Amino acid sequence: AIRMTQSPSSFSASTGDRVTITCRASQGISSYLAWYQQKPGKAPKLLIYAASTLQSGVPSRFSGSGSGTDFTLTISCLQSEDFATYYCQQYYSSATFGGGTKVEIK
Amino acid sequence: EVQLVESGGGLVQPGGSLRLSCAASGFTFSSYWMSWVRQAPGKGLEWVANIKQDGSEKYYVDSVKGRFTISRDNAKNSLYLQMNSLRAEDTAVYYCARRGYDVPAFDIWGQGTMVTVSS
Repeated sequence: AIRMTQSPSSFSASTGDRVTITCRASQGISSYLAWYQQKPGKAPKLLIYAASTLQSGVPSRFSGSGSGTDFTLTISCLQSEDFATYYCQQYYSSATFGGGTKVEIK
Repeated sequence: EVQLVESGGGLVQPGGSLRLSCAASGFTFSSYWMSWVRQAPGKGLEWVANIKQDGSEKYYVDSVKGRFTISRDNAKNSLYLQMNSLRAEDTAVYYCARRGYDVPAFDIWGQGTMVTVSS
């Protein structure tokens, strides 16, 4: 099975910061990668698919990049509503999620 | 409004069974692959099972093979997960999720239903 490793597992940031989350696949997955946002007690929400395509309705401050084994999610200007946990997920072979990255308020 | 609503969760003893349901509305249910994804308390997300539009293909994570069965009734716009031989490690919130039509990311999620396996 393909393993997905996210880093860091958590960090603190301030509103207005530019933040980057990294996701690494244990083998090449082309661009078959999605990013989700999850807030406490809520279902995950799809942000990005195909590594860099923004889901409809998602603010443009979110962006994704990468292909093969290394991917990043960037939030260009962190807003209060962005404090949440973020997950990457590969769909190249079945589906596996990364362990999550919790973005906390500094 | 596109919506998925799960039901059927609860407390069950180890070795017991439970059947989860997911009611879909606001889209053509029979046109989409559907999935179950779970999340243990305080943990990350884990894909559990997928089913093709007509039910002809089903896939499972290794840890539930032989114990869980995914099914669907397109006439009722409903997805199911039959869970047998439940273990403590199956304790989680179970989400019903729709796989996108062109891209198999999970684009629509239900609110989840909690399954607790404990004596």
